[in-house]
Amino acid sequence: DARVTQTPRHKVTEMGQEVTMRCQPILGHNTVFWYRQTMMQGLELLAYFRNRAPLDDSGMPKDRFSAEMPDATLATLKIQPSEPRDSAVYFCASGKQGAGGNTIYFGEGSWLTVV
Amino acid sequence: QKEVEQDPGPLSVPEGAIVSLNCTYSNSAFQYFMWYRQYSRKGPELLMYTYSSGNKEDGRFTAQVDKSSKYISLFIRDSQPSDSATYLCAGMFSGGYNKLIFGAGTRLAVHP
Repeated sequence: DARVTQTPRHKVTEMGQEVTMRCQPILGHNTVFWYRQTMMQGLELLAYFRNRAPLDDSGMPKDRFSAEMPDATLATLKIQPSEPRDSAVYFCASGKQGAGGNTIYFGEGSWLTVV
Repeated sequence: QKEVEQDPGPLSVPEGAIVSLNCTYSNSAFQYFMWYRQYSRKGPELLMYTYSSGNKEDGRFTAQVDKSSKYISLFIRDSQPSDSATYLCAGMFSGGYNKLIFGAGTRLAVHP
């Protein structure tokens, strides 16, 4: 059963520390998304990649967030330095662009708490 | 104004009821529409996927899209306690920009 795998599942860190979240997309999927979910804002798109190239990162605070795809099986989202307002669930999702659009599947999320 | 508007609820119904979940959207460029179900402390799970206007049925679930009024609906027949979750609607652009824009999600509780 193919699925998007995210690590860590839970992270508690102190303000100012660096946080790195990792994602393994479904094999064969060429589009990878990072979303953030909070009670106040819901699901917000932070960044996404197609064929490892960044397509849109306009939703991401550039001063502290960075997203990369070192290879087709790994996507990373880094926060440096972290702040309490970054506490949220971060979801990675992947899909395969085709003539029928792009069916997107989500991972289980990385639950981040910054204290 | 958000691109996809959805009443967050909560919506509470008795088991067996027909549930109607609705969204409106503002961006005419949306071509694909999705409904995701999210259980507590889990990731969103794709439920239904429709293209442009029309209906799509899958078991107890029916998705409707009316592009003329920019209205998206999900109907659940014979609702079950296991349907208790948050339901998220989303719109997607076509033409290579296949990112999903989500509504806030509606919390549904189906009680026995």
